[in-house]
Amino acid sequence: GEDVEQSLFLSVREGDSSVINCTYTDSSSTYLYWYKQEPGAGLQLLTYIFSNMDMKQDQRLTVLLNKKDKHLSLRIADTQTGDSAIYFCAYSGNTGKLIFGQGTTLQVKP
Amino acid sequence: GAVVSQHPSWVICKSGTSVKIECRSLDFQATTMFWYRQFPKQSLMLMATSNEGSKATYEQGVEKDKFLINHASLTLSTLTVTSAHPEDSSFYICSARFPPRNEQFFGPGTRLTVL
Repeated sequence: GEDVEQSLFLSVREGDSSVINCTYTDSSSTYLYWYKQEPGAGLQLLTYIFSNMDMKQDQRLTVLLNKKDKHLSLRIADTQTGDSAIYFCAYSGNTGKLIFGQGTTLQVKP
Repeated sequence: GAVVSQHPSWVICKSGTSVKIECRSLDFQATTMFWYRQFPKQSLMLMATSNEGSKATYEQGVEKDKFLINHASLTLSTLTVTSAHPEDSSFYICSARFPPRNEQFFGPGTRLTVL
């Protein structure tokens, strides 16, 4: 079946690194995504990774994919208060729909 | 990235009335758009897939006669909540599929409050 699991909450201090983890069950996924949602707003695509890649880096963001373990992570370096938001991992299932995790609330303390 | 807009951003209506929400892809053509519903502190729940020129595909448990979807052009999909009731109050978000990576770009959402 299709299922995505994320931890619900993460708290870090400003300047530290944040690592948000995600596990999924569907091995047929082609692309995996990380979205950011600020309060009262829609979802902003942060980054994506193709399923045949292990790692992708984009400025402060690093995505790691362990396809064997079906584990995806998002690392945010030098976390800032503006990074406080809910982060969703998602993948495209074989139906073409996006399957979302529950979202991880990231709290950044000054 | 591609831009998707939604209108209105928020709406308050009386119970029994109908409300139409528009979703537009501003700088690309989208043959497929999606409508989601999000409850507070929860993930997005896919309601339906909107395909240009054909009928929408609804997820299990979503009433197609209550949530009318029209995708009349490659840049516009509309969701009409008919005979709205307080339990329909929610945050409705649309997205548009952007080929070739199959990623979805999301609108800013519409907050519906039914009194």
